[in-house]
Amino acid sequence: NAGVMQNPRHLVRRRGQEARLRCSPMKGHSHVYWYRQLPEEGLKFMVYLQKENIIDESGMPKERFSAEFPKEGPSILRIQQVVRGDSAAYFCASSPGQIVEAFFGQGTRLTVV
Amino acid sequence: SQKIEQNSEALNIQEGKTATLTCNYTNYSPAYLQWYRQDPGRGPVFLLLIRENEKEKRKERLKVTFDTTLKQSLFHITASQPADSATYLCAVGGGYNKLIFGAGTRLAVHP
Repeated sequence: NAGVMQNPRHLVRRRGQEARLRCSPMKGHSHVYWYRQLPEEGLKFMVYLQKENIIDESGMPKERFSAEFPKEGPSILRIQQVVRGDSAAYFCASSPGQIVEAFFGQGTRLTVV
Repeated sequence: SQKIEQNSEALNIQEGKTATLTCNYTNYSPAYLQWYRQDPGRGPVFLLLIRENEKEKRKERLKVTFDTTLKQSLFHITASQPADSATYLCAVGGGYNKLIFGAGTRLAVHP
């Protein structure tokens, strides 16, 4: 059973471009979470999704950021018109239920130049 | 606002000793608390989950306590090894895995 797969591992975008981060949860997991980590800071919750539904997006900026978890395919975190402040490591996690251990991917490191 | 505090300074200990890491939280009553390990450039790896009605949990050389009165969790690694060197993250949660993470404590175990 493969772990949580995120790609790409590293992504460089120029200011104003779009960034698409993909996350394939572990097999059998229907709960997906996205977190952002800035250097020397803790992970910050962004959004929680179940198949085809956004359950909680309270940690996601209202503008330029969106997330989806379609019936088929990976979860996508999309950042439009990226700015330098979006540079961070973005981690996806999945779990088979709600109050159980979460399995994290290796992250996508986004650099905006 | 909700706050999770972990020792910001690195913890340096000798191999074979017990490492004790502290996690304090304020303005929150979590249903559970989790500990993760994170190595540089990698994603967090789950270690232990303890619920609000549990005082202590053990797994091999790891032990975690949860004191809801003090709003504190202690994480212990007994018989520490250099391979235990990493950053350890504390996270509190409510109804689902919407976790609030501390900034982590870096542990260095010296031979």
